[in-house]
Amino acid sequence: QKEVEQNSGPLSVPEGAIASLNCTYSDRGSQSFFWYRQYSGKSPELIMFIYSNGDKEDGRFTAQLNKASQYVSLLIRDSQPSDSATYLCASDNAGNMLTFGGGTRLMVKP
Amino acid sequence: GAVVSQHPSRVICKSGTSVKIECRSLDFQATTMFWYRQFPKQSLMLMATSNEGSKATYEQGVEKDKFLINHASLTLSTLTVTSAHPEDSSFYICSAMASEANEKLFFGSGTQLSVL
Repeated sequence: QKEVEQNSGPLSVPEGAIASLNCTYSDRGSQSFFWYRQYSGKSPELIMFIYSNGDKEDGRFTAQLNKASQYVSLLIRDSQPSDSATYLCASDNAGNMLTFGGGTRLMVKP
Repeated sequence: GAVVSQHPSRVICKSGTSVKIECRSLDFQATTMFWYRQFPKQSLMLMATSNEGSKATYEQGVEKDKFLINHASLTLSTLTVTSAHPEDSSFYICSAMASEANEKLFFGSGTQLSVL
């Protein structure tokens, strides 16, 4: 059973719109959550991490965490074609290992 | 920010040969490193967790005798694919945990292995 679930997409949004990426997790013991962006054929790069309920903003990115509902989301404002990538959600678990979701492919159309 | 160097970025080898992939943390010490493989259009799959000075912990279904992991220092971990076969062709990625950076995970650039 997967512990971190994401819609595989693709999620298609027009340039300039807000892209909303969602992730649910099953392990209530998870404390920190990470969003990685991965371009095709490249290694993932960390965008944001969040461990407190609520919102965390960094530039055009906002991570949202709701521990009661066990979901975490990533909002991308003013989406650009260069944001087109696969976004991986990950949660930590015992031993500080990360469990990754399957990733959501985002396509931003000019 | 923290940098993880992975080498080589691409390797093509004949079936039956062994391939070694290096993963180095350049500006921080990493007591824990992770090795993943990724098939096209799929997410990362954790293969093993490597702790400096001790044996690696392999995920279920990963052959430890085929994928040899050595973590001899706080800045270097290696993955050796022994007697590689075409089904081992994949994108291999390492990551290192930076204790000094709130234990965030930083990824190497990946190695595309093609076994002919």
